[in-house]
Amino acid sequence: GAGVSQTPSNKVTEKGKYVELRCDPISGHTALYWYRQSLGQGPEFLIYFQGTGAADDSGLPNDRFFAVRPEGSVSTLKIQRTERGDSAVYLCASSLSGRATDTQYFGPGTRLTVL
Amino acid sequence: DAKTTQPPSMDCAEGRAANLPCNHSTISGNEYVYWYRQIHSQGPQYIIHGLKNNETNEMASLIITEDRKSSTLILPHATLRDTAVYYCIVRVTSSSGANSKLTFGKGITLSVRP
Repeated sequence: GAGVSQTPSNKVTEKGKYVELRCDPISGHTALYWYRQSLGQGPEFLIYFQGTGAADDSGLPNDRFFAVRPEGSVSTLKIQRTERGDSAVYLCASSLSGRATDTQYFGPGTRLTVL
Repeated sequence: DAKTTQPPSMDCAEGRAANLPCNHSTISGNEYVYWYRQIHSQGPQYIIHGLKNNETNEMASLIITEDRKSSTLILPHATLRDTAVYYCIVRVTSSSGANSKLTFGKGITLSVRP
């Protein structure tokens, strides 16, 4: 079956611009996660959705970062006034429910480069 | 979640067993040990998890010491496609879904040589 998909696969933008990154989770998965991975580091948690609501947004680095999941399926991560330090691979994962024992399935990521 | 310690890298010969160690000396009784791997330019992939008993699936085996302070992931017959970064993660489980995020360290880079 289809896995988690993310678009675009690569995004190059200029400092100060606004970007949107999209995640399509596995059909039927109610939990959705965003992570960010800098070069040479492990993924770092950003935000977790259970259905339409953000159950844990403790990983968002500042108020330039915002994510939505209006219909409980597709999610969009939005970054305002991008900075060079935002350059990273943004990973999305989904799981069947929000239980901690559920396996998280990851997408291929979106590589964001801020010039 | 408890912290894990892994060596930065190791290698093994193709066809041989790869034994990847992980220390988690501060693990609590309600924390599971999870292993994920990340092949270059891909998202992390779930491998296996366990609480205190040894576990085996089609990908690997997980051996957890009796005191639960360390574990070893075993790939019984490593192939070139197993070259990846392997992450050992300790994770609190709760029915409410709290703490469902994964906390990754730097992982161990396994290089399988021909």
